[in-house]
Amino acid sequence: AQSVTQLDSQVPVFEEAPVELRCNYSSSVSVYLFWYVQYPNQGLQLLLKYLSGSTLVKGINGFEAEFNKSQTSFHLRKPSVHISDTAEYFCAVSDTNYGGSQGNLIFGKGTKLSVKP
Amino acid sequence: DTGVSQDPRHKITKRGQNVTFRCDPISEHNRLYWYRQTLGQGPEFLTYFQNEAQLEKSRLLSDRFSAERPKGSFSTLEIQRTEQGDSAMYLCASSPLGSNTEAFFGQGTRLTVV
Repeated sequence: AQSVTQLDSQVPVFEEAPVELRCNYSSSVSVYLFWYVQYPNQGLQLLLKYLSGSTLVKGINGFEAEFNKSQTSFHLRKPSVHISDTAEYFCAVSDTNYGGSQGNLIFGKGTKLSVKP
Repeated sequence: DTGVSQDPRHKITKRGQNVTFRCDPISEHNRLYWYRQTLGQGPEFLTYFQNEAQLEKSRLLSDRFSAERPKGSFSTLEIQRTEQGDSAMYLCASSPLGSNTEAFFGQGTRLTVV
């Protein structure tokens, strides 16, 4: 069975500093990988996704992630964070054989990013 | 299009009562998903519809849970005889048919069982 591990439950960082949120997945099959952001009392918004091709994926709000198959990782990075990036971030995986739909996702437990002035 | 809409946004109910949540997907999205998110956890998949057909159900969906999508448009999720452990955020998502299609999430319904 697939699983997703987000290694840090909380990451405090100062404004304009770089940040990396770590994600490792466990799967024996090809997968799609995703990062979602959740603001308080809101649903999930897709930041970026890896389906195939280039292992460096760029998303919205200046975020990017790198797919590393050998390390089964998909870490999220941003070179300079803003106060408005304070939110919870979820890494997710789906099976590429699942009919092409990306809605049946396995999520990690989330990482709370707290950006301080 | 206003995106995926869920109603109500918040629900407080007494243990043992039945509750029903509604999800209106983005129009023309054939696929609809329900997830549950408990405090401190990521969302957990509950069930998946393609049009009106319920194609997959998680083992998390006990006999007290039932989901429907009768006309292939909106969906309802009913929980019978609620328990305190049912307290969670219930998220709905939808996506169009086809490969490489993204799922869009609603804002969720927060259920508190007292």
